[in-house]
Amino acid sequence: EVQLVESGGGLVQPGGSLRLSCAASGFTFSSYWMHWVRQAPGKGLVWVSRINSDGSSTSYADSVKGRFTISRDNAKNTLYLQMNSLRAEDTAVYYCAKGGSRVFDNWGQGNMVTVAS
Amino acid sequence: QSALTQPPSASGSPGQSVTISCTGTSSDVGGYNYVSWYQQHPGKAPKLMIYEVNKRPSGVPDRFSGSKSGNTASLTVSGLQAEDEADYYCTSYAGSSNLVFGGGTKLTVL
Repeated sequence: EVQLVESGGGLVQPGGSLRLSCAASGFTFSSYWMHWVRQAPGKGLVWVSRINSDGSSTSYADSVKGRFTISRDNAKNTLYLQMNSLRAEDTAVYYCAKGGSRVFDNWGQGNMVTVAS
Repeated sequence: QSALTQPPSASGSPGQSVTISCTGTSSDVGGYNYVSWYQQHPGKAPKLMIYEVNKRPSGVPDRFSGSKSGNTASLTVSGLQAEDEADYYCTSYAGSSNLVFGGGTKLTVL
């Protein structure tokens, strides 16, 4: 069974940093692209970032480009999202999702990030 | 990329059918057969219901079906059941390894 478990969220002040992790199990992690998708309170889903299977290629939404960095450790079956220069508008539930470049076929349970003073 | 356009709400009575639309452009929905649909119950993670326009993952009831015409994709839920009440989101491949989401549709079972 595919399992994706996010951690690392919490309350952070504007301008601060946070690193999210997503521990994967139940599939060959190193064979799949991975994504981060976020959902602000009461709002819709928004794609944030993706990384290919070996970590050599990444892509970001314009709203986070230059501030967020996606990475992965295939030896540890873990996906990361380093978030710097956080803003109030980054407040959201962050989901990691497994998939190729065309679909999200499994999702984690989500992790809340709150940016507030 | 701009978000795909979905109606904010849809509704139907138990047993009826309801269709949710997802409108994009020739650069996303119309250009690729990579439209997916996700179901999200309140406080829960999204779940893949349809991929590649009309394919169902294992375990998804055949009451859920997808289609596409031009720049508009559609999700049809037949034989509505109470547990189908949820938010539904479409996504489409938009080239260059990018995916774009729709704004979501709240489906109410009356």
